[in-house]
Amino acid sequence: AQSVTQLDSQVPVFEEAPVELRCNYSSSVSVYLFWYVQYPNQGLQLLLKYLSGSTLVKGINGFEAEFNKSQTSFHLRKPSVHISDTAEYFCAVSDRGGSNYKLTFGKGTLLTVNP
Amino acid sequence: ETGVTQTPRHLVMGMTNKKSLKCEQHLGHNAMYWYKQSAKKPLELMFVYSLEERVENNSVPSRFSPECPNSSHLFLHLHTLQPEDSALYLCASSQEALVLAVAGELFFGEGSRLTVL
Repeated sequence: AQSVTQLDSQVPVFEEAPVELRCNYSSSVSVYLFWYVQYPNQGLQLLLKYLSGSTLVKGINGFEAEFNKSQTSFHLRKPSVHISDTAEYFCAVSDRGGSNYKLTFGKGTLLTVNP
Repeated sequence: ETGVTQTPRHLVMGMTNKKSLKCEQHLGHNAMYWYKQSAKKPLELMFVYSLEERVENNSVPSRFSPECPNSSHLFLHLHTLQPEDSALYLCASSQEALVLAVAGELFFGEGSRLTVL
């Protein structure tokens, strides 16, 4: 069975500061990894995904994430955040192959960007 | 029209009421999903429909009853709910249910905020 741990439930930062949101996963098989973002009063939207190939994945709005297989991590980073990045961020994992309809989500990290 | 539309956005109901949540997708997708989002908990997958057939029922109590009359519409019928069922219910769609595991992406609606008194 898969599981996802988002190590920080809340991350407050100042505008234009760098940010890293941490995600660790556990799975007995190879995985696909995703980051979703949920802005206030909205549904979730895909930020980026890792399927294969380069371990550094670039997404929308200047975010990127790095897949580290040995540390089973998929941390999300942005070098300079904006007020508009305030949202909840969810890391998710799915098993490669097989009939798997499930994305397993973490509990989310609330990023608050202050002026 | 946005990709995935959910109505109502807010619903308050008593434990003996019967109500329904509606989801409509305008993306031409073949798979639709219901998720439950509760505070401080991971999103919980409730149901998956692929080509209008239910392919996943994730141990959800029978007081929740899904219906998928066609590939564009999904309903969640609610009956004799409990206060702990209060949550944000998210509908999502994807191109194919199986492809999700391979490379797919879920497209979410804005959710229906349910409060059970």
